Amino acid sequence: QSALTQEASVSGTVGQKVTLSCTGNSNNIGSYTVGWYQQVSHGAPKTVMLGDSLPSGVPDRFSGSKSGTTASLTISGLQPEDEANYYCSTWDYSLSAWVFGGGTKLTVL
Amino acid sequence: QVQLVESGGGLVRPGGSLRLSCTASGFTFSDYYMTWIRQAPGKGLEWVSYMSPSGSNKLYAASVKGRFTISRDNAKNSLSLQMEGLRADDTAMYYCVRDTSDDDAFDIWGQGTMVTVSS
Repeated sequence: QSALTQEASVSGTVGQKVTLSCTGNSNNIGSYTVGWYQQVSHGAPKTVMLGDSLPSGVPDRFSGSKSGTTASLTISGLQPEDEANYYCSTWDYSLSAWVFGGGTKLTVL
Repeated sequence: QVQLVESGGGLVRPGGSLRLSCTASGFTFSDYYMTWIRQAPGKGLEWVSYMSPSGSNKLYAASVKGRFTISRDNAKNSLSLQMEGLRADDTAMYYCVRDTSDDDAFDIWGQGTMVTVSS
């Protein structure tokens, strides 16, 4: 069982806005930056969001936010190439470990 | 360009050992925390271990503590993971990952090296 909770699956159509969520507690998301990682078709993960900062090269249709112990990744204007598994992660000071969500499979219809 | 290249994966019998390596290029390796993250077949991502830039601070996941040892050679821009007492549930793709400059997330991932533990 993952320390962070993500939706198992989310779907959307091309051009739609979708939001993926990641829920933790005060020991992790409530206290630290959340990273979001995209993994397309069993390739290596790629970082798509660091807190609310967009890494270089990532399309600006991606945005990140956090409220309390829930972080969100929003994709505005969904594209076919956005179909992937998305993982959130952060530090957990009670566990003294980096923790991950179980991942959300995003399907572009 | 910034790059991480892993090597050393393979097939090993239960109880065996393996040493993974990661060679970094395109950035000042000695400035960054470095991390190993793994992914079992069909499963999610799992943090394994990290090491501070100087090598003085290291942490391990409970699942590998006492069996795995992380190390680095800043002169050679390399990170290693010595794995002992391997078990079937250690079977996974192992990724070498750079932490951000603020050490608050991960920003650069290698392509991974596959470790299979099976008799």
